Amino acid sequence: DADVTQTPRNRITKTGKRIMLECSQTKGHDRMYWYRQDPGLGLRLIYYSFDVKDINKGEISDGYSVSRQAQAKFSLSLESAIPNQTALYFCATGPDYNEQFFGPGTRLTVL
Amino acid sequence: GQNIDQPTEMTATEGAIVQINCTYQTSGFNGLFWYQQHAGEAPTFLSYNVLDGLEEKGRFSSFLSRSKGYSYLLLKELQMKDSASYLCAVRPTLGRAGSYQLTFGKGTKLSVIP
Repeated sequence: DADVTQTPRNRITKTGKRIMLECSQTKGHDRMYWYRQDPGLGLRLIYYSFDVKDINKGEISDGYSVSRQAQAKFSLSLESAIPNQTALYFCATGPDYNEQFFGPGTRLTVL
Repeated sequence: GQNIDQPTEMTATEGAIVQINCTYQTSGFNGLFWYQQHAGEAPTFLSYNVLDGLEEKGRFSSFLSRSKGYSYLLLKELQMKDSASYLCAVRPTLGRAGSYQLTFGKGTKLSVIP
């Protein structure tokens, strides 16, 4: 089984809808991250969490919220989706300063 | 601010050597990472440099010069499966809030041709 899983893998939604992307990990890492990836812009950090009680905004947090339900679960919500939130979203986990382990990604399309 | 530059695309021949450069200007420096990302897949960790010099790992090597704000990833004996995007990422600051953030470059798409 994969160490970092994301659900759903693909989602098409309409403008104004609320949507939640979920991330689970079995690696036992404290640190979890949400990124979005857009063609020509690279990976950008949305939110990150050091542990269940510690959540921090990243570079592009506007329009997003997160919840760290447990050490192993970190969900990303779009309260009212808009077309420019169409992107590939990655969850990542990490044990310390160094490497991060990425999930398979969620391809989100907002019409 | 943070600025990380790497070439957008490169092409190289199977069996050859290719060097992918990355230059950065960031507020502080606490490590540079290289990731490989195949199309439609997750990035996977390749290497980490925090001190000047060359780190070798099999066919892949990564070099860092902190004074020049420069790194490169060297791929030897290229294989078709090395066709992917290569992402340079910098951890810009020390201190709790910044320690775990990575700032990514836009990636270099490498095409390996027969």
